[in-house]
Amino acid sequence: AQSVAQPEDQVNVAEGNPLTVKCTYSVSGNPYLFWYVQYPNRGLQFLLKYITGDNLVKGSYGFEAEFNKSQTSFHLKKPSALVSDSALYFCAVRDNSWGKFQFGAGTQVVVTP
Amino acid sequence: DTAVSQTPKYLVTQMGNDKSIKCEQNLGHDTMYWYKQDSKKFLKIMFSYNNKELIINETVPNRFSPKSPDKAHLNLHINSLELGDSAVYFCASSPRVAGGREQYFGPGTRLTVT
Repeated sequence: AQSVAQPEDQVNVAEGNPLTVKCTYSVSGNPYLFWYVQYPNRGLQFLLKYITGDNLVKGSYGFEAEFNKSQTSFHLKKPSALVSDSALYFCAVRDNSWGKFQFGAGTQVVVTP
Repeated sequence: DTAVSQTPKYLVTQMGNDKSIKCEQNLGHDTMYWYKQDSKKFLKIMFSYNNKELIINETVPNRFSPKSPDKAHLNLHINSLELGDSAVYFCASSPRVAGGREQYFGPGTRLTVT
């Protein structure tokens, strides 16, 4: 069975500071890992994914994520947060066979001016 | 052009009624999904279809019945609506049932049962 944990319900950061949103996963076999963002009253938008290859993945809006196999983590990062980054962020995992995406509980990011 | 569209965007109805939510994708994807997002924003998969064939059917009351007339459409019909059905329902699609391709989500349908 696959699972995803986002240990923080909310992350608060000042504009201009680095932003990190944590995600750990459990899956049999090699994982496919994803980050999505949800703005208020909107659907989820894809940010980035790790499939294979370089452990550092770059995505939309200046976000990046680092895959760490030994720690089974896929933390989302942004070097300098913007107020407009305030949103709900979801980590998701899928194993490398066919099947469903497993989403984490979400982390609310609040960026203050 | 909207990639994944849902209608209606808002749905307010009384307990016991039957309602449907429609979803269409113009991305040429093979696989479509229905998710329920509760008041705590937790996202739970309900169903998945691949080329009109049901492949994922989570523990969902049988009052919920998905229908896929073709691979571009996946509708959700709900019978005898209950207060606990109030949530935001998201449709999503992905190119194929397996592999590392991401999902594309619709804007959601906010269902309120009174």
